Amino acid sequence: GQQVMQIPQYQHVQEGEDFTTYCNSSTTLSNIQWYKQRPGGHPVFLIQLVKSGEVKKQKRLTFQFGEAKKNSSLHITATQTTDVGTYFCAGPDGPGGYNKLIFGAGTRLAVHP
Amino acid sequence: EPEVTQTPSHQVTQMGQEVILRCVPISNHLYFYWYRQILGQKVEFLVSFYNNEISEKSEIFDDQFSVERPDGSNFTLKIRSTKLEDSAMYFCVIGGVAYEQYFGPGTRLTVT
Repeated sequence: GQQVMQIPQYQHVQEGEDFTTYCNSSTTLSNIQWYKQRPGGHPVFLIQLVKSGEVKKQKRLTFQFGEAKKNSSLHITATQTTDVGTYFCAGPDGPGGYNKLIFGAGTRLAVHP
Repeated sequence: EPEVTQTPSHQVTQMGQEVILRCVPISNHLYFYWYRQILGQKVEFLVSFYNNEISEKSEIFDDQFSVERPDGSNFTLKIRSTKLEDSAMYFCVIGGVAYEQYFGPGTRLTVT
């Protein structure tokens, strides 16, 4: 079945440093979604990318969808302590729509002040 | 972001007991899902529900699990005979208009 892999599993950074997490799917995706889960919280939807090569920005966060629509990345510029949490990518298992999401294992970000 | 609420926030039960996890209130949504997350692990799909019917279920969702929307608003997940390995966070999720998914705060199920 479809697999979504994420690296790294865990990243420590000093506040102000940049952070990147990478996501790879075993199959071509109709879209890729990113979620953030704060410690003790629930996954919160951040963004969805649909087009090949698409790049979207949310303040200090930059999301990219690969040309082949099999990989994606999330880059955070100048991390802050509020960025702490686990970042998950997820892709629909199927042609999209309301298909179930297959989640990556997540990248846990720790930010030291 | 659509609001999703879940009750209880934490449920402790003994192995073999039945539990019902509730997602309330839900209105004006068609697509619902249950996912679970064992502590420190990835989010796993359990079941999707559309138009009052199961549309897809995972291998995890065996005969011990069932879902209902008994009164058109509440959405429930029942586990008939809990096992130790059912201990996890269970998230009720609704589908957004652009196929994004919105997670409820979750119910932490602890089976002893």
